[in-house]
Amino acid sequence: EVQLVESGGGLVQPGGSLRLSCAASGFTFSSYEMNWVRQAPGKGLEWVSYISTSGSTIYYADSVKGRFTISRDNAKNSLYLQMNSLRAEDTAVYYCARVGVGSPFDYWGQGTLVTVSS
Amino acid sequence: QSALTQPRSVSGSPGQSVTISCTGTSSDVGDYNYVSWYQHHPGKAPKLMIYDVSKRPSGVPDRFSGSKSGNTASLTISGLQAEDEADYYCCSYAGSISYVFGTGTKVTVL
Repeated sequence: EVQLVESGGGLVQPGGSLRLSCAASGFTFSSYEMNWVRQAPGKGLEWVSYISTSGSTIYYADSVKGRFTISRDNAKNSLYLQMNSLRAEDTAVYYCARVGVGSPFDYWGQGTLVTVSS
Repeated sequence: QSALTQPRSVSGSPGQSVTISCTGTSSDVGDYNYVSWYQHHPGKAPKLMIYDVSKRPSGVPDRFSGSKSGNTASLTISGLQAEDEADYYCCSYAGSISYVFGTGTKVTVL
């Protein structure tokens, strides 16, 4: 069974940093591209970032470019999102999602909440 | 990009059909056959229901179907069941390895 479990969320002050993790199991993690998606309170879903299987190809939404860094450790079956210079508008539940055949998000985790507030 | 436009809510009685529209532009929905739909029960992981406009992953009931015409994609749920009550989001590829989601639709089973 495919499982994705996010962790690392919490309360952080504006301008602060946080590192999210996503632990993958039930599939060969190194063979799948991955994404981060977020949902602000009361809002819809927003794609955040993409990483290829080897980590050599990476893309970001304009809203996080230059502040967030996606990475992965295939030996640890883990995906990461380093978030710097956090803003109030980054407050959201962050989901990791696997890229599947025909779909950019075929399996999702349950998400981790990030709150940016003073 | 701007979010794709979905109705805020739709409702139906058990057994009825409901259709959710998802309107984009010629730069996303209208330009690519890469529209997917996700069911989201709050507090749980979103679930892929439709991909490539009209394809169903294994395990998704055939009550769920997708289509597209021009800049508008649609998800139809036939034979509505209580467990279908959830939020539904469309998503389209928007070029340059970016994706845009819809505003979300709450489906209520009366």
